Amino acid sequence: DTGVSQDPRHKITKRGQNVTFRCDPISEHNRLYWYRQTLGQGPEFLTYFQNEAQLEKSRLLSDRFSAERPKGSFSTLEIQRTEQGDSAMYLCASSLAGTGVWGSSGANVLTFGAGSRLTVL
Amino acid sequence: GENVEQHPSTLSVQEGDSAVIKCTYSDSASNYFPWYKQELGKRPQLIIDIRSNVGEKKDQRIAVTLNKTAKHFSLHITETQPEDSAVYFCAAAFQGGKLIFGQGTELSVKP
Repeated sequence: DTGVSQDPRHKITKRGQNVTFRCDPISEHNRLYWYRQTLGQGPEFLTYFQNEAQLEKSRLLSDRFSAERPKGSFSTLEIQRTEQGDSAMYLCASSLAGTGVWGSSGANVLTFGAGSRLTVL
Repeated sequence: GENVEQHPSTLSVQEGDSAVIKCTYSDSASNYFPWYKQELGKRPQLIIDIRSNVGEKKDQRIAVTLNKTAKHFSLHITETQPEDSAVYFCAAAFQGGKLIFGQGTELSVKP
């Protein structure tokens, strides 16, 4: 296991097309997060899962965005009817949810993937 | 709401000087405040974190301080080196376990 993997690394699409990104987390991690990052900005929270359950989805997220983690392992993020404003880096991160204080014994520490860069023409 | 504010957005220092980056967070943040470093074209990497039961934590040239009363925390880098040049992000954990990130600080260390 070499860390969090994301595929594809780059995607160029035309406005109105659908795109799907895949994230494979660190195998023992039960939490998986999706973030979006644009140039000069911090990662913006989109959604996260614990095992297969989607715990929260950002209220800023359009209905065109959907994420799944069907078997509690890999996750997919789909964007339907893409718009130019969707152009960004989509980052996936995973962690091992722990009990008690955040960060103790490495629990809840996020490890990021390299990201999937989306360009919508 | 869930919000983290980070300042400054850019910081330029001479090699060997210290650099300080500050963040404030909204009321609902819980107990965990990590800092990430992102080099150009690379993924964010955790460099240090602090939990709310401590006020300061050091790791070689890097330290983080936390003031829960004032709801702010800071990253301190001493004896800066050119390889410290990167974008630094603070973050805070909120209800349910998600991390919210600040806007980032682009640090430039001039040799």
